[in-house]
Amino acid sequence: QVQLQESGPGLVRPSQTLTLTCTVSGGSIGSGTYYWSWIRQPAGKGLEWVGRIYTSGSPNYNPSLKSRVTIQLDTSKNQFSLKLTSVIAADTAVYYCAGMDYYGSGTHWGQGAQVTVSS
Amino acid sequence: SYALTQPPSVSVAPGETARMTCGGNNIGSKSVHWYQQRPGQAPLLVISYDSDRPSGIPERFSGSNSGNTATLTISGVEAGDEADYYCHVWESSSDYLVFGGGTKLTVL
Repeated sequence: QVQLQESGPGLVRPSQTLTLTCTVSGGSIGSGTYYWSWIRQPAGKGLEWVGRIYTSGSPNYNPSLKSRVTIQLDTSKNQFSLKLTSVIAADTAVYYCAGMDYYGSGTHWGQGAQVTVSS
Repeated sequence: SYALTQPPSVSVAPGETARMTCGGNNIGSKSVHWYQQRPGQAPLLVISYDSDRPSGIPERFSGSNSGNTATLTISGVEAGDEADYYCHVWESSSDYLVFGGGTKLTVL
């Protein structure tokens, strides 16, 4: 059973870089089974797809965030990461990592990590 | 950019049928997935590829997709079905995943 766990700072200062890591257990992120994705959810609001990465090819990003987002794989640690630069208060959200298929169908999600952008 | 429209709320009495729609331009040509999210929990996939139920999802949950509307139907609604429901599709022309705004299901 594939399990995912997000980790990273809960507080980030405005204009700084948000960095989160998702650790995958129960399966290899290099196996090619899933597209490894990040989704976020501001308090009281809906889900927003941030981006995804596969074992080959280029990552895909939400067009509205593309200039600030980088998603990378670390197969040696069975982890993938999210970096969001120049953060603002509107980036405050619960960030989920998930394993999905090409079309976004996914039964494997992390529990979510709260990130607050504040000085 | 592609957009998905969901009604903000749907209310039904226990035992009745809840129908939640997801509107999008020619959505019938895309694969639609539905997630259930209870307060404080991660989303749970309840319908994939328009009408497939993942393992463990009750038969009360069903889906359809045609034209400009996809629909999630829950038959014999129970109190435990009260949650937010999100549809989403993969927009292949621009390579990004689009979520609908979500529908809050209230069981009266």
